[in-house]
Amino acid sequence: EIVLTQSPGTLSLSPGERATLSCRASQSVSSNYLAWYQQKPGQAPRLLIYGASSRATGIPDRFSGSGSGTDFTLTISRLEPEDFAVYYCQQYGRSTGTFGQGTKVEIK
Amino acid sequence: EVQLVQSGAEVKKPGESLKISCKGSGYSFSSSWIGWVRQMPGKGLEWMGIIYPGDSDTRYSPSFQGQVTMSADKSISSAYLQWSSLKASDTAMYYCARLGVCSRGTCHAFDHWGQGTLVTVPS
Repeated sequence: EIVLTQSPGTLSLSPGERATLSCRASQSVSSNYLAWYQQKPGQAPRLLIYGASSRATGIPDRFSGSGSGTDFTLTISRLEPEDFAVYYCQQYGRSTGTFGQGTKVEIK
Repeated sequence: EVQLVQSGAEVKKPGESLKISCKGSGYSFSSSWIGWVRQMPGKGLEWMGIIYPGDSDTRYSPSFQGQVTMSADKSISSAYLQWSSLKASDTAMYYCARLGVCSRGTCHAFDHWGQGTLVTVPS
């Protein structure tokens, strides 16, 4: 089973700043089947990025994903007030998937 | 519009059985994998497994194999997650989600989520 490790655990930033979140896999992720989700308190997760770099429907272009193999990054170019939330990466391979432990983006 | 609507919150005693549901609409329910995701209080997301309602093909995460049972009834567009004997450690929010993002014949990301079902098993 592939283990995903996200860093940092918490990111304290101000609105307008750039956020860079990391997701590292214990082994290479199949075909870059790496997704990112956003979760706000009391809500279900929302898909942001799939295939490592493709934005899901309706996701603003300030969200971007990059990376391949074992190292992946989610970048939020300029934080809006509604972007403060927890972010999870998720990989899929060999008929199963795993999530990272999450990165909380909080207001500084 | 794709929707996944889950059954309501449950409070059960240790040792009791439970079956929660997830009803899909707005798409061909039989033709998309449905996954279940656990979120324990204050914790992160955990992939439990997926089921293909068309033929009930089921793939469990190793951590959940033997702990829960996934099933589906395509005739009523519903998927289920059940326990035969609940433990206090099963207390969590459980989400169903459609594994709807597909490429090169493999579906690999959850594009629509249910609202979650909170299961509480007091110790």
